[in-house]
Amino acid sequence: ETGVTQTPRHLVMGMTNKKSLKCEQHLGHNAMYWYKQSAKKPLELMFVYSLEERVENNSVPSRFSPECPNSSHLFLHLHTLQPEDSALYLCASSPSAGISNYGYTFGSGTRLTVV
Amino acid sequence: DQQVKQNSPSLSVQEGRISILNCDYTNSMFDYFLWYKKYPAEGPTFLISISSIKDKNEDGRFTVFLNKSAKHLSLHIVPSQPGDSAVYFCAASFTGGGNKLTFGTGTQLKVEL
Repeated sequence: ETGVTQTPRHLVMGMTNKKSLKCEQHLGHNAMYWYKQSAKKPLELMFVYSLEERVENNSVPSRFSPECPNSSHLFLHLHTLQPEDSALYLCASSPSAGISNYGYTFGSGTRLTVV
Repeated sequence: DQQVKQNSPSLSVQEGRISILNCDYTNSMFDYFLWYKKYPAEGPTFLISISSIKDKNEDGRFTVFLNKSAKHLSLHIVPSQPGDSAVYFCAASFTGGGNKLTFGTGTQLKVEL
């Protein structure tokens, strides 16, 4: 496996369910990110982790709970979501979270539908 | 308030011609700009970038131009190929802001035979 891998690719969940999105990077990067892409809106930064420490929480509702157990893995735990949370959730990694000019390597995303 | 704007949601170009995708930004602190390409069912992939100390960067068929006074950048693809059909995102960051990218809404490019 190379690059950034996200599972599952598609997820349908009810508003009372609890589910988790998983992201794994095989690039030796130190920073990982969660982005949300809703229809006709720009990619929105949700969370940034640097060396397993959360360095950014971009005013995301508490029904989204990230976890970064090590620098290669990132999770997004979901509970009591709303239909408007339906979107493409993208994970990305980069060599560093502290220095600009490093682009990201993105995973393929999880298409989430909340019913 | 959208700091990075791509005002054209779609663009259609004939194969072999030039594709020009535009991006405007409002935050004068941005000093690094990137273009990403996204195919359906895949994540965005990095295409080309430019630092604010330059006004042009070229990589094969892709050239990015930066006009700092106008807060405008553009991506030129010459010649356009059918495989270039994808959504193109403009993104920006600034020194001291951490490696956080602010994205535009994307432009869907369709290259027709």
